[in-house]
Amino acid sequence: DAGVIQSPRHEVTEMGQEVTLRCKPISGHDYLFWYRQTMMRGLELLIYFNNNVPIDDSGMPEDRFSAKMPNASFSTLKIQPSEPRDSAVYFCASRRTGVDYEQYFGPGTRLTVT
Amino acid sequence: AQKVTQAQTEISVVEKEDVTLDCVYETRDTTYYLFWYKQPPSGELVFLIRRNSFDEQNEISGRYSWNFQKSTSSFNFTITASQVVDSAVYFCALSEANPGTYKYIFGTGTRLKVLA
Repeated sequence: DAGVIQSPRHEVTEMGQEVTLRCKPISGHDYLFWYRQTMMRGLELLIYFNNNVPIDDSGMPEDRFSAKMPNASFSTLKIQPSEPRDSAVYFCASRRTGVDYEQYFGPGTRLTVT
Repeated sequence: AQKVTQAQTEISVVEKEDVTLDCVYETRDTTYYLFWYKQPPSGELVFLIRRNSFDEQNEISGRYSWNFQKSTSSFNFTITASQVVDSAVYFCALSEANPGTYKYIFGTGTRLKVLA
């Protein structure tokens, strides 16, 4: 089975631009998580979905961040407008209810905002 | 409140040495899960092991072994005969087993450098 797929793998953008990160979870997984990793703050959970419904977005840093999951196989994390402090690696992860509790992570998107 | 502490920020060993990575956790839940992940220089997060709070059996997988002790709230990870390919950042994580609350609490990670 294919793992979690994220695109793009690298994104460089200028401050003020809109950035959209994409994630395809593992087929059959009903939970999807978005994380951000920085040197200063480590791994932070931003938001997670269950059956395409956002359950907890308390980790979303501010209104510039939004996430959607229009169907079971696709999710986006959007930053508008982007700022240099948003530079980080963004991970998407998924898991399956009732079978196991571990999350499987995508390769990450390295975002650089100049 | 839940918390995971990985007190060792960085460890350096010479190849073939054994090394133990410490993980201490705090939780008020009686049912919980513990995990270890490996993040090699390429950046991805690789799942290594899951342990639930009712299973204190130690586990061995090749050169890797895990020691779970509820009495000390620890879930330590030992690599035997370390290799250069083991160089990575290792994260310990805790998850509640309550339905609908599957968040991970990650430790800050331990960077392991294995020198040839």
